[in-house]
Order: sequence, then C-alpha cells, then structure tokens
Amino acid sequence: KNQVEQSPQSLIILEGKNCTLQCNYTVSPFSNLRWYKQDTGRGPVSLTIMTFSENTKSNRRYTATLDADTKQSSLHITASQLSDSASYICVVSPNQRVELIFGTGTRLQVFP
Amino acid sequence: DSGVTQTPKHLITATGQRVTLRCSPRSGDLSVYWYQQSLDQGLQFLIQYYNGEERAKGNILERFSAQQFPDLHSELNLSSLELGDSALYFCASSVAVGLHNEQFFGPGTRLTVL
Repeated sequence: KNQVEQSPQSLIILEGKNCTLQCNYTVSPFSNLRWYKQDTGRGPVSLTIMTFSENTKSNRRYTATLDADTKQSSLHITASQLSDSASYICVVSPNQRVELIFGTGTRLQVFP
Repeated sequence: DSGVTQTPKHLITATGQRVTLRCSPRSGDLSVYWYQQSLDQGLQFLIQYYNGEERAKGNILERFSAQQFPDLHSELNLSSLELGDSALYFCASSVAVGLHNEQFFGPGTRLTVL
C-alpha cells in the first residue's frame, strides 16, 4: 500500500517560473515530514524537515507547508532555475519508528 | 558532497552471485542506514545500524545481510542474486538515532544483475 503519494508524477516548467508539488500521506502518527531533492543517479539531499506541529519551513527558494489535519504537504519552488531539474521526494517518518517512508517523487524539468 | 562515501559506484554481476557494498559514514556519524531504489520506485528502507549494533530492520530479504564495523563503516552483503535485485543501493548516515536526525545520503552503488 502507498502511504505517501505525490503529484504530479512529472512536471515541466520554464526557467524563472514558480511551481508547487503536492504530497498526501496516510502515515499516522508521524514525527516529521521531509522533502528531498534527488538528481538523477545521485543520493537524495535534504531540503526541509518539519515536525507535525510546524506549518511551514523555508530553505532559500524552497518553501514547504504542512497541514497535519488533512495530511497534506506541499513544496513551492520560487523563480525556478535549470539546476532545479531533479526528482523531489516527500518522506514521512512514522512516530516511534526509525525508518523513513518515501514517496515515489515528482520529476521536475526546468527548460530555458 | 554529503561526506558519505560508497564503493563501488557500479557493479555488474550474474544471477546467483554474491556481492558486498561498502559505505563510510560522515565523520562523527554513528548511525548508518541502507536503502534500495529500484527503477521508478521510491527508496525502500532495508536496515539501520548504530555504533555497531543493528537498530531497525525494514524490508530486507533474508538473502541480504549487513554489518557495521568498529571503525563505523558498514557493508551490505547481497547473496544468491536475482534479476530483481538490480537497483541503486544507497547508504545514509546520521549523528544519532533520534527521529528528527537528518540523514545524509551517499552517491549510491548501481547494481546490475544479468
């Protein structure tokens, strides 16, 4: 069963535009939700980590939001750059468990 | 560069064989995690070690095993390999085992089983 669902599966935008990626999860209870960026063939890199009590967290041009009531999170990318082309993965950490549950990611392509 | 190193970068082998993947965590990190990422799949947690001891197990097959050595590097052993074991294998490390500890991922080992 998929406990972390992401949409869209893929997205193409022009350089300089903004975009928003969505994450819905069923993991409950959870201790934190993370967004990672993964370049093709490379390891994921952490963008944000939010506990269940946080609503928003920013990291440069990346802003993540969390609604624990609706079990939804979003990642907003502002003023996209070509280097933003990557997969963005939503990850949920179940409460009292070490393992992370990964979504399958949104593949973002930024064109000039 | 996350500070986590993995070797080899690529590995091609045949079905039925056994391979060992190696991971060195970031300096100062005591916890090591192993993940498998099959084509177009999300990362799947395999196993975690902390300071030499196994702390958590995920969807790890019985044909797979791991250990963490006194110098904190870790090895993932995959045996009786099957075609379906072809995947990217990532190692990650963190300072401790707390639920909010950030995990830093290595560059991965791409395993191809022919």
